[in-house]
Amino acid sequence: AQTVTQSQPEMSVQEAETVTLSCTYDTSESDYYLFWYKQPPSRQMILVIRQEAYKQQNATENRFSVNFQKAAKSFSLKISDSQLGDAAMYFCAYRSRDKLTFGTGTRLAVRP
Amino acid sequence: GAGVSQSPSNKVTEKGKDVELRCDPISGHTALYWYRQSLGQGLEFLIYFQGNSAPDKSGLPSDRFSAERTGGSVSTLTIQRTQQEDSAVYLCASSPASGGYEDTQYFGPGTRLTVL
Repeated sequence: AQTVTQSQPEMSVQEAETVTLSCTYDTSESDYYLFWYKQPPSRQMILVIRQEAYKQQNATENRFSVNFQKAAKSFSLKISDSQLGDAAMYFCAYRSRDKLTFGTGTRLAVRP
Repeated sequence: GAGVSQSPSNKVTEKGKDVELRCDPISGHTALYWYRQSLGQGLEFLIYFQGNSAPDKSGLPSDRFSAERTGGSVSTLTIQRTQQEDSAVYLCASSPASGGYEDTQYFGPGTRLTVL
């Protein structure tokens, strides 16, 4: 069974600074996708970024980028120039075939 | 609609009562998923629909939980004889086309269920 581990229950960052959220996963499969979702207090899960396992190049979406280390089964999220609106729960997720398997989340606080 | 919608937004019920939670996926999305998020936890997969059929029901925690999907669109998650441990946020997601692993899942706002 696949497992996803987020070892940082809470993180804090100063506005305009950079923060990295960690995620590791365990799988025996070679084809899969990895995702970072953001969940603000509204509960809506919002896709932040996704990474295809077969791609070596790290995905980037504006201020968000990932460091994907397939051999180490590591998938960290870097948020640059942090903004107050980035404050939320962040979930790392793994997908192979149908369902998503989620980590337990990291709560990110942004200090003004 | 523009996104996945769920109703009700909040539901408070008494232990032993039955509840129905509804999900309207994004128009045209053939795959639909239900997840449960308990307080302080990540999301737990419940069931997956492809069209009206459910190839994967492995996450349903007990036979008190059931789900159906009609017309390849709306889905209803039913919990019978609710227990306090059923209290959670129930999230629905949909994805387009074949629902293959490359498809991104888009989530609704969830239904917060409280069982007293």
